[in-house]
Amino acid sequence: DAGVIQSPRHEVTEMGQEVTLRCKPISGHNSLFWYRQTMMRGLELLIYFNNNVPIDDSGMPEDRFSAKMPNASFSTLKIQPSEPRDSAVYFCASRTGTGGARAEAFFGQGTRLTVV
Amino acid sequence: AQSVTQLDSHVSVSEGTPVLLRCNYSSSYSPSLFWYVQHPNKGLQLLLKYTSAATLVKGINGFEAEFKKSETSFHLTKPSAHMSDAAEYFCVVSGFRGYSTLTFGKGTMLLVSP
Repeated sequence: DAGVIQSPRHEVTEMGQEVTLRCKPISGHNSLFWYRQTMMRGLELLIYFNNNVPIDDSGMPEDRFSAKMPNASFSTLKIQPSEPRDSAVYFCASRTGTGGARAEAFFGQGTRLTVV
Repeated sequence: AQSVTQLDSHVSVSEGTPVLLRCNYSSSYSPSLFWYVQHPNKGLQLLLKYTSAATLVKGINGFEAEFKKSETSFHLTKPSAHMSDAAEYFCVVSGFRGYSTLTFGKGTMLLVSP
């Protein structure tokens, strides 16, 4: 398996523009996580899907952020409008349902977002 | 509720000396615990995991960790550091329920000098 695939790897955009980050989880995994990593705040969970359903979105910063998982093999994280403080590395991770909470998560390489 | 505290933000060692990265956790249930490593500009890679089997867990690259319930700790160790071990290390806790998320510590940056 190719692992968790995120695109793009790097994104530079102007403030106010819409940004869409994409994630393809590992085939057969039924849990998907979006994390944001910054120097100041470390790794923060944004949203967690289980069987394509959002279970916990309490980490989504504000209404400018939205995430979808239309099927088991694809998820998007959208920021509209983007702001400079959204600059961070965004990671997607997936986990198998077998073993439940005891299973480890596999991470993508991340998307480095810069909003200027 | 669950949380994890990594006691040191930075640890500096010399090559060939032992490594100790400290982690304490809090969980309402019997937790699963993980250590991940992140090399510069890379994603996160699993080093090892504890899931209620043996309390001493061996991972990749010579790392191991011991689960101590009485101390609510899951410290990461390695007998002899290599230059390639320089990276950031994250302790992670996952709760008992199948819908549990992964809660990350703030990370410990390991610096290895020649």
